[in-house]
Amino acid sequence: EIVLTQSPGTLSLSPGERATLSCRASQSVSSDYLAWYQQKPGQAPRLLIYGASRRATGFPDRFSGSGSGTDFTLTISRLEPEDFAVYYCQQYGTSPRTFGQGTKVEIK
Amino acid sequence: QVQLQESGPGLVKPSGTLSLTCAVSGDSISSSNWWTWVRQPPGKGLEWIGEIYHSGSTKYSTSLKSRVTISVDKSKNQFSLNLSSVTAADTAVYYCARAPYDYVTVYYFDYWGRGTRVTVSS
Repeated sequence: EIVLTQSPGTLSLSPGERATLSCRASQSVSSDYLAWYQQKPGQAPRLLIYGASRRATGFPDRFSGSGSGTDFTLTISRLEPEDFAVYYCQQYGTSPRTFGQGTKVEIK
Repeated sequence: QVQLQESGPGLVKPSGTLSLTCAVSGDSISSSNWWTWVRQPPGKGLEWIGEIYHSGSTKYSTSLKSRVTISVDKSKNQFSLNLSSVTAADTAVYYCARAPYDYVTVYYFDYWGRGTRVTVSS
């Protein structure tokens, strides 16, 4: 199965700063079928990015995804207070589906 | 609007069977989607458990395959999870979710239930 490794585990930043989250796969992700989810405390995950770079409905353009093959990045250009959350990457190109362990973006 | 709602016992005894149901509204269980279960142990990350298509085809996590059964009830527009021989390690929030399907690829999870907390304890 494809193992996804996210880094860093925790990112401590201030509102207005840029956040860069990494997701590295143990083997190439088929057709760049890589998604990102945002999860806030006590809530279900919410689809944020799919197809490595396509933004889901309801998310502003300060969120962007990039990458291909084994290296993917989620960037939040300017952090807003509501963006502090845990972010998970997930690949859906190869069964079994797998998630990364998550990156927590916390207020510094 | 598509909504998913998990239900089931919040407490299960060790060695017992965990049984949950996910009721789907705003979409047909027979539509072009796979219906999925994901869990999250306290303070930990997300784990894919398995999924089902309305035809009855299933896919399961390698690590849970021997204990998991997912089924669909088209008449009630819902699907279910059974996890047998549970231990404390199965304590988690269990989510159901929808994954679009184009007859080639099963995609990302675009709709999620709110989750239901299940504790395994005597």
